[in-house]
Amino acid sequence: DAGITQSPRHKVTETGTPVTLRCHQTENHRYMYWYRQDPGHGLRLIHYSYGVKDTDKGEVSDGYSVSRSKTEDFLLTLESATSSQTSVYFCAISVGLAVLTDTQYFGPGTRLTVL
Amino acid sequence: SQQGEEDPQALSIQEGENATMNCSYKTSINNLQWYRQNSGRGLVHLILIRSNEREKHSGRLRVTLDTSKKSSSLLITASRAADTASYFCATRESGSEKLVFGKGTKLTVNP
Repeated sequence: DAGITQSPRHKVTETGTPVTLRCHQTENHRYMYWYRQDPGHGLRLIHYSYGVKDTDKGEVSDGYSVSRSKTEDFLLTLESATSSQTSVYFCAISVGLAVLTDTQYFGPGTRLTVL
Repeated sequence: SQQGEEDPQALSIQEGENATMNCSYKTSINNLQWYRQNSGRGLVHLILIRSNEREKHSGRLRVTLDTSKKSSSLLITASRAADTASYFCATRESGSEKLVFGKGTKLTVNP
């Protein structure tokens, strides 16, 4: 599992509240990703990071922000949660020697419900 | 937008049969990867095929890639109940640092 943990694993929150999800890795991989998974949409990239303080937007970044102050931690923040952000969130790291052959390892996921 | 699209969306077979899933994509790619997801778990990488490869094997898995048709197939031979899962293809576009995942094929293998 490449030493990836996510916290919390489950969260229920109310509309309008801020939420922060944490992804932690133990192997100092450079690339980290946040995805959301919804029925009928598969897996969609929210944000990714290619190093400390280096981040970029993915396909569905609106309403989300990220931070990476240490190699091992990648935080996803919902500034003001909405019901449309109810989803399962997965963190992933990219492992490999080159872009052509790298693969991704995924964390166990965080199930977020926004009421 | 989604790059890979799997077909079929759902597949139900008997144990011992072969399962074939297809993936189509839209743009030029560096590689194509297949992942498996068991219910309630994260995705697990199965196999990667580079754009200059046509076929690759790993155990009971066989992946083909046809870049002229922008399509790939995943064959699982002699399926087992434990193969029940969702299978996703993911493409790495040329020059991109990102993987783009399809919506997945849900495979059910009945004992």
